[in-house]
Amino acid sequence: SQQGEEDPQALSIQEGENATMNCSYKTSINNLQWYRQNSGRGLVHLILIRSNEREKHSGRLRVTLDTSKKSSSLLITASRAADTASYFCATDAGDYKLSFGAGTTVTVRA
Amino acid sequence: KAGVTQTPRYLIKTRGQQVTLSCSPISGHRSVSWYQQTPGQGLQFLFEYFSETQRNKGNFPGRFSGRQFSNSRSEMNVSTLELGDSALYLCASSLGQGAYEKLFFGSGTQLSVL
Repeated sequence: SQQGEEDPQALSIQEGENATMNCSYKTSINNLQWYRQNSGRGLVHLILIRSNEREKHSGRLRVTLDTSKKSSSLLITASRAADTASYFCATDAGDYKLSFGAGTTVTVRA
Repeated sequence: KAGVTQTPRYLIKTRGQQVTLSCSPISGHRSVSWYQQTPGQGLQFLFEYFSETQRNKGNFPGRFSGRQFSNSRSEMNVSTLELGDSALYLCASSLGQGAYEKLFFGSGTQLSVL
């Protein structure tokens, strides 16, 4: 079973717009991570936020974490065609594995 | 530095056969994890190895097994293949020491069972 639930399942935006996706999880965590996957290839790590952090930035990415609500959000600003991909949140509960959400498929239209 | 290498990239097998997938981690990484990805179930954790020891195992039947060698390379084996085993199998590596940090994924092995 999966730890996280993501919404929306799919998102279609215009180039230059922002994309926001949300992740909810069920158990206590050490950290939460976001990954990107292009066309069924391997996943690429985007950003990691620790349980004692509330917000983190990396380039055009902004991640927030609310441990009281067991939820996180990923914001991609000024989206580009190259951002078209599936995005997954993954939680680390300290048990030598990551538990992945179902993913959000983002399509950026030119 | 070379990334995580998985071989083969594609594999077609028939029901009842067995299959072995290989994963070479990034140099210096001692932890290797395996995940199964299907459209219906998403990414499911199979197992994780660190220095040849399995530290965690997912909820998969005993037909799924793995091992790690002294050079950190890892293999996973699926015996008596079923149609439902068709999936993208992803291997990931990390340093694996102390806090569990980000994973570096290979491109995966796409297994089709006919």
